[in-house]
Amino acid sequence: NAGVTQTPKFQVLKTGQSMTLQCAQDMNHNSMYWYRQDPGMGLRLIYYSASEGTTDKGEVPNGYNVSRLNKREFSLRLESAAPSQTSVYFCASRVRDSAYNEQFFGPGTRLTVL
Amino acid sequence: AQSVTQLDSHVSVSEGTPVLLRCNYSSSYSPSLFWYVQHPNKGLQLLLKYTSAATLVKGINGFEAEFKKSETSFHLTKPSAHMSDAAEYFCVVSIGGSQGNLIFGKGTKLSVKP
Repeated sequence: NAGVTQTPKFQVLKTGQSMTLQCAQDMNHNSMYWYRQDPGMGLRLIYYSASEGTTDKGEVPNGYNVSRLNKREFSLRLESAAPSQTSVYFCASRVRDSAYNEQFFGPGTRLTVL
Repeated sequence: AQSVTQLDSHVSVSEGTPVLLRCNYSSSYSPSLFWYVQHPNKGLQLLLKYTSAATLVKGINGFEAEFKKSETSFHLTKPSAHMSDAAEYFCVVSIGGSQGNLIFGKGTKLSVKP
């Protein structure tokens, strides 16, 4: 079991460029999440997918789009990157979207936008 | 509205001495609470969780936390710090109900001196 995997691990973009961050889980979880982590801010939810075929906005969705490609994969797209999107991005999954279940996190993607 | 406050942004202890990381929460519902640990340049790992069963929760690596409803606290403790405990720790509350989105504290960085 690889758990939650993310690609790439590191990325440098120029302002205005686009890119897609990939996330996959092999735990047969229904729910998947994208977060960003900034110094002193904890993690903030960007988008989530409670189940295959559904997506919803989190706390900080502006500038991002997501696709739940299938049960395993949940991608995050930056259409026109801005320096404010420099951050570490984490994908997570959970067996189902319930308060009682913990989330499992990937290793993160460190993104720098110049 | 749900929120979580980690009372210390940085805690420094000597190896072999006790660890106390403080967390207070605010929740309209009976909360689920979690502690996660993040080692440098790594993803987040679950230490322990409280979901309305026993108020004293034991986690991995000798950590434990006590849920105190009257004080709205969920402090993390360990009797004897080890060098490998140096990391950032996040207290997390779950919104509750069928939508279990997580609210993260801003984190406490634990340093362990030899």
